[in-house]
Amino acid sequence: GENVEQHPSTLSVQEGDSAVIKCTYSDSASNYFPWYKQELGKRPQLIIDIRSNVGEKKDQRIAVTLNKTAKHFSLHITETQPEDSAVYFCAARLNAGKSTFGDGTTLTVKP
Amino acid sequence: DGGITQSPKYLFRKEGQNVTLSCEQNLNHDAMYWYRQDPGQGLRLIYYSQIVNDFQKGDIAEGYSVSREKKESFPLTVTSAQKNPTAFYLCASSRGQGVQNTEAFFGQGTRLTVV
Repeated sequence: GENVEQHPSTLSVQEGDSAVIKCTYSDSASNYFPWYKQELGKRPQLIIDIRSNVGEKKDQRIAVTLNKTAKHFSLHITETQPEDSAVYFCAARLNAGKSTFGDGTTLTVKP
Repeated sequence: DGGITQSPKYLFRKEGQNVTLSCEQNLNHDAMYWYRQDPGQGLRLIYYSQIVNDFQKGDIAEGYSVSREKKESFPLTVTSAQKNPTAFYLCASSRGQGVQNTEAFFGQGTRLTVV
C-alpha cells in the first residue's frame, strides 16, 4: 500500500520568513495530493491540493510543488504570520480511494 | 458548517462497553471515511466506504465496525475488543468514483475517553 513520509515533524520560523514542508510517497499511481491545516482541537481543513498532471500550484502565500519522478511534493508558505501556526498534513490518494496521510508537521510562527 | 456533522463532540465509555459515533453528511458525497488521531500522530484510516452498502477495512480496523445503510450516514462502533480506544475520531467524506479527485471534508471530530 501507499506510504507517506513527512518532514520535518516540527518547524519554528520567525514571522515573515518562509516555511517549507516536504512529503514523499511510495505508490507511483497516486494522483491526488492535498494539504490540510489543523488548528488545535479542530478539524483538518484543506488549504491547497495538486493533481498529478500539474507540477506547481499557487494560492496567495501558499504554493505546492510536485515531482512525480522523485515521488515527492512540498508545501511552501511565504511571509508567515502567527495565525499560520498549526499542524499541517500532507496526503496521497489514487482517484476516489483512501487517502494516506503523513504524520504531520507542527509549525510555530514566532511574532 | 462544512456539511458533515459528527456527534457527540465528547464521549466517555466504560471499559467493556460498545459505543457508536455518529457521522452524517448532506453534501451528496458517495465516499465516507473514519480516521483515528492520537496525540502527535497523523490520521490513521479505520474504515472507508465508497458507496452505499459497501465498505472496506482501513489500516487499523480491528476492534471497530461500521455500516453504510444510507448515503448520508456512516456510523462507527467502537467495540470492547478495541484495547486502546481513547483517541480523537474524525469522519470525512468526498465525491466518489468517476469524479475528478476532490478534497475530503472533515467533521468536527469526537473525542472518546475510556473511564
